[in-house]
Amino acid sequence: DIVMTQSPDSLAVSLGERATINCKSSQSVFYSSNNYNYLAWYQQKPGQPPKLLIFWASTRESGVPDRFSGSGSGTDFTLTISSLQAEDVAVYYCQQYYSVPTFGQGTKVEIK
Amino acid sequence: EVQLVESGGGLVQPGRSLRLSCTASGFTFGDYAMSWVRQAPGKGLEWVGIIRRKGYGGTIEYAAAVKGRFTISRDDSKSIAYLQMNSLKIEDTAVYYCTRDMAYGSGSYGRMDVWGQGTTVTVSS
Repeated sequence: DIVMTQSPDSLAVSLGERATINCKSSQSVFYSSNNYNYLAWYQQKPGQPPKLLIFWASTRESGVPDRFSGSGSGTDFTLTISSLQAEDVAVYYCQQYYSVPTFGQGTKVEIK
Repeated sequence: EVQLVESGGGLVQPGRSLRLSCTASGFTFGDYAMSWVRQAPGKGLEWVGIIRRKGYGGTIEYAAAVKGRFTISRDDSKSIAYLQMNSLKIEDTAVYYCTRDMAYGSGSYGRMDVWGQGTTVTVSS
């Protein structure tokens, strides 16, 4: 199985500042026949199910604020929250769906 | 409104069985693959398995940790997906989420764009 490793495990960011979460896969999740990276990002707030934020590494799900963006290709990916809001406090997970789905361990985002 | 509602969780002894249900509404259930994902207390997310749409063969796959013990099925006429869990172990204790999976093709996997609220399964003697 592809191992997904996120960094950092947690971060504290001031309101309005940028938050950056990294995700590295143990093998490429880029499918050259269609030029897609099979990588998604989810947000999970306490007591709630995960919510899809980003798919194909950089496509924002409908209704997701544009302060959330995804980038990267191959094995290295980033989720960026450009201006952290109080409602963004959550655990964020990356997930690959190139093969048997696997998730990163999660990154907890808090307010500094 | 697109919605998934899980039911059937509870407290069960090791070695016993439990069947979870996932009732879908607000979309054409038969057009989508469905996946199950679980989350142990205080832990991360773990994919359990997928059942693809009949148009892609209705193929089913499982995570290694549950293969041979869990069975996923679906009833498109009722818009329900099931997770039959046999020979339960203590380490199966988790919140089980049903998800709509955007997998295309008979052997593919997809992003999970709709999640239920989850149902809690506790395996304990």
